[in-house]
Amino acid sequence: GNSVTQMEGPVTLSEEAFLTINCTYTATGYPSLFWYVQYPGEGLQLLLKATKADDKGSNKGFEATYRKETTSFHLEKGSVQVSDSAVYFCALRIPDSWGKLQFGAGTQVVVTP
Amino acid sequence: GAGVSQSPSNKVTEKGKDVELRCDPISGHTALYWYRQRLGQGLEFLIYFQGNSAPDKSGLPSDRFSAERTGESVSTLTIQRTQQEDSAVYLCASSPPGLGITNEQFFGPGTRLTVL
Repeated sequence: GNSVTQMEGPVTLSEEAFLTINCTYTATGYPSLFWYVQYPGEGLQLLLKATKADDKGSNKGFEATYRKETTSFHLEKGSVQVSDSAVYFCALRIPDSWGKLQFGAGTQVVVTP
Repeated sequence: GAGVSQSPSNKVTEKGKDVELRCDPISGHTALYWYRQRLGQGLEFLIYFQGNSAPDKSGLPSDRFSAERTGESVSTLTIQRTQQEDSAVYLCASSPPGLGITNEQFFGPGTRLTVL
């Protein structure tokens, strides 16, 4: 079946620290991969995406590379800000489907000044 | 422009009561999705509507759950005879028409349902 596993939170770090959130997946076929972010009190927003192996998605200083050989899509940011405090969700779009997303459990990130 | 809106934002109900949750998608979006997020868990797919096609109900957890959508507008998710395990945040998303496999889903803020 299809599944997404991401590291448990909360992840607490200081401003300007390096952030990595691990995400691995299992899927039949070749899924598209996504990171969504949920800021406090707001809805889920697409942060970045990658549609094929070796693609790198990037947005707002965040990056993630689609690694087919390790079935991973780890999220990284070199220098976090307090405003990056949020819950981050890794997701895959199930191949040959109409757009159904399979989500990981989410990782809460807390950035302190 | 307006995003996806959901109402109510919070709903507290007693076990055994019926509840109705509403989703207003972004105008022009043909696809609409309902997801459920239980505490500490990821989002679970519930149901998908695409235009006038028959909905994909494969994620509905029991026959107490149903959803309707009129055309490409508002959708309502109904839970009958609520149980405590139904407590969750119910999220709605919509996406624009097109065949792109990466069509983005735009999410609403969710309805937090608490069943006492």
